[in-house]
Formats: sequence, structure tokens, C-alpha cells
Amino acid sequence: RKEVEQDPGPFNVPEGATVAFNCTYSNSASQSFFWYRQDCRKEPKLLMSVYSSGNEDGRFTAQLNRASQYISLLIRDSKLSDSATYLCVVITNTGNQFYFGTGTSLTVIP
Amino acid sequence: NAGVTQTPKFRILKIGQSMTLQCAQDMNHNYMYWYRQDPGMGLKLIYYSVGAGITDKGEVPNGYNVSRSTTEDFPLRLELAAPSQTSVYFCASSDMGAANEKLFFGSGTQLSVL
Repeated sequence: RKEVEQDPGPFNVPEGATVAFNCTYSNSASQSFFWYRQDCRKEPKLLMSVYSSGNEDGRFTAQLNRASQYISLLIRDSKLSDSATYLCVVITNTGNQFYFGTGTSLTVIP
Repeated sequence: NAGVTQTPKFRILKIGQSMTLQCAQDMNHNYMYWYRQDPGMGLKLIYYSVGAGITDKGEVPNGYNVSRSTTEDFPLRLELAAPSQTSVYFCASSDMGAANEKLFFGSGTQLSVL
């Protein structure tokens, strides 16, 4: 079973829409959670960390549900510039490795 | 700060050739990683290192070797290039265990083996 699983999409949404991505992880002892953004042919970059209490950064909201072992990312008022692949990343309790999901592709349409 | 520097950006190899992908970071991070990313796929860990002199295999280590003689450098060696190694390679570093466990990536190496 993969450490991290994501719906690959693609998600095609109009500008201004709200879109949500989910990600599940298999190791219940996982300790740290992140969303990274990757533009085409570029390196991944940290979008936001995910905290147990949930956290928000502008139009982006991240949630963690430890009981169900999933992480979510909500993007409100989508912009064209949000078009990218969003990667769910988990650090397990061994603490040595970052585990990546395969990514969810988002295209925001004018 | 330069961050994580990877070279080369692009390379074409013939089957059986060898090459070294260079990776250097100037952030004094103990943890360094090599990932490969095939088209439309996620990142797969090849090798990682938790400090100078210490390396360990990741998910897909076959056909690769690494060394970590200094904190700054973490080169990846392909000894006998095969078409299955055509991919984009990313080096990354992290101050793992710190309050901000962020992964810093290099800009990637696009490798084609023909």
C-alpha cells in the first residue's frame, strides 16, 4: 500500500470557483503534513504546512483529519495562476523521509 | 543564498554511458535527497543521506550510487545508463527535525537515455 495517495484529477475549474483536493496516508503514526505546488517542468515548492487544528493562508485552507488519515486542501476564488499540480507530502514517525503523493492536476479556465 | 544547486540542467546519454549529477546546498542542511519524476508521476526517492558519510537507499535505488563526503555535496552516479533512467531528477535538502521541516529543491536535471 502506498504511503500517500491522491486523486490525480485532472480538475478543470472556472475562475472564481472553489476546489478541494484530498489525500490519504497509510501510516497512522505520521507526524508532519504538507502541500507542495509544482508547475510544469519545475521543482516542487512548499505551499503550506498542515497543522492539526487546520490552517489558512489567504485563499488556501488546509485540514488534517488524523482519525480518518486524510489531508485536504481547499482553494477559494480560483485564479488562473493556481493552475499547477498539487502534491500531498507526509513525514512518517521514522522522521527520515518525505513521502509524496502522485499529485493532483488543477487547471483554472478563464 | 544559492540554496540547492543542481547541474547539469539537461543531458542526453547513450545506453551504457555513465555520468554524475551534481548537487550542492549552502544551507548547512544535514538531510539530502535524490528523487526522480517520470512524466505524469509523483516523485520517487532514489537515495537519501542524513549527514556526511551516511547514505541509505530509497524506493528506487537500482542503477544508481551516491556518496556524501561533505555536508554540502550529494552527487548521484549512473554507472550504466539505461532507457528506463530517462526522467527528471531532483535533488533536495532539509533541516529535518527543525521547527520548519521544509524541503528545498534544486531546479532539476532532465536526463534522456537513448
